[in-house]
Amino acid sequence: DGGITQSPKYLFRKEGQNVTLSCEQNLNHDAMYWYRQDPGQGLRLIYYSQIVNDFQKGDIAEGYSVSREKKESFPLTVTSAQKNPTAFYLCASSIGGAEQPQHFGDGTRLSIL
Amino acid sequence: GENVEQHPSTLSVQEGDSAVIKCTYSDSASNYFPWYKQELGKGPQLIIDIRSNVGEKKDQRIAVTLNKTAKHFSLHITETQPEDSAVYFCAASRSGYSTLTFGKGTMLLVSP
Repeated sequence: DGGITQSPKYLFRKEGQNVTLSCEQNLNHDAMYWYRQDPGQGLRLIYYSQIVNDFQKGDIAEGYSVSREKKESFPLTVTSAQKNPTAFYLCASSIGGAEQPQHFGDGTRLSIL
Repeated sequence: GENVEQHPSTLSVQEGDSAVIKCTYSDSASNYFPWYKQELGKGPQLIIDIRSNVGEKKDQRIAVTLNKTAKHFSLHITETQPEDSAVYFCAASRSGYSTLTFGKGTMLLVSP
């Protein structure tokens, strides 16, 4: 079955530590997105990529980094510069352009130890 | 940039009743309006979308209406069932843009 796989489902970070969240899709989609979800805040865009080897900052990119070396993969690193990383992180993909439906993974919940 | 406001933030209905969630948007050039349903511990799933060249779209018990003049669109769920309980998000975007702007969500609770 085609879809988006996020791993791990739960992740714990120690102070000063970088952690990387995985996102893989087998939908052959060109565009991929990372969102952060906090209670009552909706979905806020962190980074997005419309094509391999290219990505753009979203509304809340500070303290995060991404790479897009392969079409099917778009990992997100939460760096130690992100002072409030506890949240639910969602990855999505689409064939491209904001007028196309986005398909979401089931998220990674990151917590601070 | 685009701003999407969604109301209400929580909505409780009895099974069999109808539920209506409303969103307003700020950018008059926006032309794509999807709705997503998110169940607990899962990612959002697209349930219906509408483009600005139509005023209404239906899919079984779900319908979406769009008023371009007033810049608002609404999700209507008829004959609600307990499995409709979830958080619903509206969103908006426009041609040539790369990203969606989401509302803050509505938690719908359908009581048996």
